[in-house]
Amino acid sequence: DAKTTQPPSMDCAEGRAANLPCNHSTISGNEYVYWYRQIHSQGPQYIIHGLKNNETNEMASLIITEDRKSSTLILPHATLRDTAVYYCIVRPIQGAQKLVFGQGTRLTINP
Amino acid sequence: GAVVSQHPSWVICKSGTSVKIECRSLDFQATTMFWYRQFPKQSLMLMATSNEGSKATYEQGVEKDKFLINHASLTLSTLTVTSAHPEDSSFYICSAREGSGTYEQYFGPGTRLTVT
Repeated sequence: DAKTTQPPSMDCAEGRAANLPCNHSTISGNEYVYWYRQIHSQGPQYIIHGLKNNETNEMASLIITEDRKSSTLILPHATLRDTAVYYCIVRPIQGAQKLVFGQGTRLTINP
Repeated sequence: GAVVSQHPSWVICKSGTSVKIECRSLDFQATTMFWYRQFPKQSLMLMATSNEGSKATYEQGVEKDKFLINHASLTLSTLTVTSAHPEDSSFYICSAREGSGTYEQYFGPGTRLTVT
């Protein structure tokens, strides 16, 4: 079972920042937080991951709370092409490497 | 980034026939490949994990004799749906991982299977 909770859907205006929350209250110290997204009828695309510190790359920023029980994915300037289902996944550092997908958040970027 | 391809991208077959789906890592060697299934408006469900040169590990509830997985080389894994039925119609997605530890998984574009 997925260890994360996400809102089922969100809307955001084009050009604005999209902030997608994720709760992972049972996360352990040796588990990463990963974010993937899936555009309709395509395979999932890796976005970003983190352990304790905030992370940023060319696609997004990941903000992890100090207690690590929740995180927020930030798309700084959302475009229409960012419309997708976003999955927050908790994954062990070691051991089984399989990804368990929850229901994700369906993000719709509106013009 | 690393590229994973799948072939075919879509296939239609008749009930009772078998269908083979290929998953290839194009620019890296994949020691582990994963197969997922996704029904409409649902999330991805892991079917099995395969390591090159060994038998696949199937998730609970997935019939290993119906979904045959072969990972014969470091760049190719195949999923064969045997004696397909309409309820097997789904979107099948593979992913590949380069090594152990924290190497990332890269996903293929998926294969849409329709069984008539």
